[in-house]
Amino acid sequence: GEDVEQSLFLSVREGDSSVINCTYTDSSSTYLYWYKQEPGAGLQLLTYIFSNMDMKQDQRLTVLLNKKDKHLSLRIADTQTGDSAIYFCADHASGGSYIPTFGRGTSLIVHP
Amino acid sequence: DGGITQSPKYLFRKEGQNVTLSCEQNLNHDAMYWYRQDPGQGLRLIYYSQIVNDFQKGDIAEGYSVSREKKESFPLTVTSAQKNPTAFYLCASSGRYRGNEQFFGPGTRLTVL
Repeated sequence: GEDVEQSLFLSVREGDSSVINCTYTDSSSTYLYWYKQEPGAGLQLLTYIFSNMDMKQDQRLTVLLNKKDKHLSLRIADTQTGDSAIYFCADHASGGSYIPTFGRGTSLIVHP
Repeated sequence: DGGITQSPKYLFRKEGQNVTLSCEQNLNHDAMYWYRQDPGQGLRLIYYSQIVNDFQKGDIAEGYSVSREKKESFPLTVTSAQKNPTAFYLCASSGRYRGNEQFFGPGTRLTVL
């Protein structure tokens, strides 16, 4: 079945850029989302990209999509301690299903 | 304000008891979902519902039950048959079209004593 993979941890220094990577298996994927989860809270939509795009930029966030390699990345510029959270990659529309497939989440730790 | 709420935030249960977790949304969404989150496991789908009076099992439905009598409400019952119920439970809702983003509630942390 559909699978979405992420590395589990990323540690960066405040002010540096963070890059969180995600790979997916379904070549028919059309809607790819990034969610953020702060400690003890639910998930919030951070940004998204559709499969007809290669890049999307939204303030400090840049999403890159490489459809050939089925690779998605989220870059956070000038990372702040408030960015410390778990980031989930989600494939919202693989195949015929509208049930999203989530990665296991990447814990981003930002050191002062 | 439109949103999705879950109650209670923390719940303690003795072994052998059933408990019900509440989930309410006022976003007029057709679809609702229940997920279980364990450390390092990501989100695992328990049940989902696309429309009132209809719901389907997800990947880990054993030991859980749901109902969808109203569009706004999707309660989850954790039964005594669930062997390891201690976890963080998240409810979500969305439109029922492919690609619609999910809106999540704040979660309920269930601990079995």
